[in-house]
Amino acid sequence: NAGVTQTPKFRILKIGQSMTLQCTQDMNHNYMYWYRQDPGMGLKLIYYSVGAGITDKGEVPNGYNVSRSTTEDFPLRLELAAPSQTSVYFCASSYIDRVGQPQHFGDGTRLSIL
Amino acid sequence: QQQVKQSPQSLIVQKGGISIINCAYENTAFDYFPWYQQFPGKGPALLIAIRPDVSEKKEGRFTISFNKSAKQFSLHIMDSQPGDSATYFCAALYTGANNLFFGTGTRLTVIP
Repeated sequence: NAGVTQTPKFRILKIGQSMTLQCTQDMNHNYMYWYRQDPGMGLKLIYYSVGAGITDKGEVPNGYNVSRSTTEDFPLRLELAAPSQTSVYFCASSYIDRVGQPQHFGDGTRLSIL
Repeated sequence: QQQVKQSPQSLIVQKGGISIINCAYENTAFDYFPWYQQFPGKGPALLIAIRPDVSEKKEGRFTISFNKSAKQFSLHIMDSQPGDSATYFCAALYTGANNLFFGTGTRLTVIP
């Protein structure tokens, strides 16, 4: 049982480049999330999705885009990479996001923008 | 603005000791308070959670104490072990929201 799988694990980008962080889950969860984790700042929600075709902004959406064409996949797109986007990105999923339902996290993508 | 404030930033405890991590919040709409444990190179994993209608929840060596009037909650790790060395995050959520608000994390080191 793979859970939440994120690729790549590491990536270095140049300023202005674009890339897509991949996330897939095999638990048939309807809710999926993207967080970024910066040192000393905890995790901040970038975007989330409550099901295929439905996405919405979190706390820090600027500079990112998402899509959800299937239940399993929730890619995060950086269009014009900036140094401020250097961070560790985590994808998570949960089944029916209501009180008491835990979010399951992937192992993260460490992204550096130089 | 940090919705959930967590302290200390780092903590060193001797093996067998008690580790205590504290969190505070302002939004009284929060009705679910989970703690996540994160090992290096891994994503956070749910450790234990509490709802505000109880003052304490215990699971093995891990206990959450909750003080609704003070808007504070804490994680106690009894008989701390080197394997407990990790970063711990408190978080909060309210029904109908889709955003877990995380604390800034506490790096716990348990010395053998």
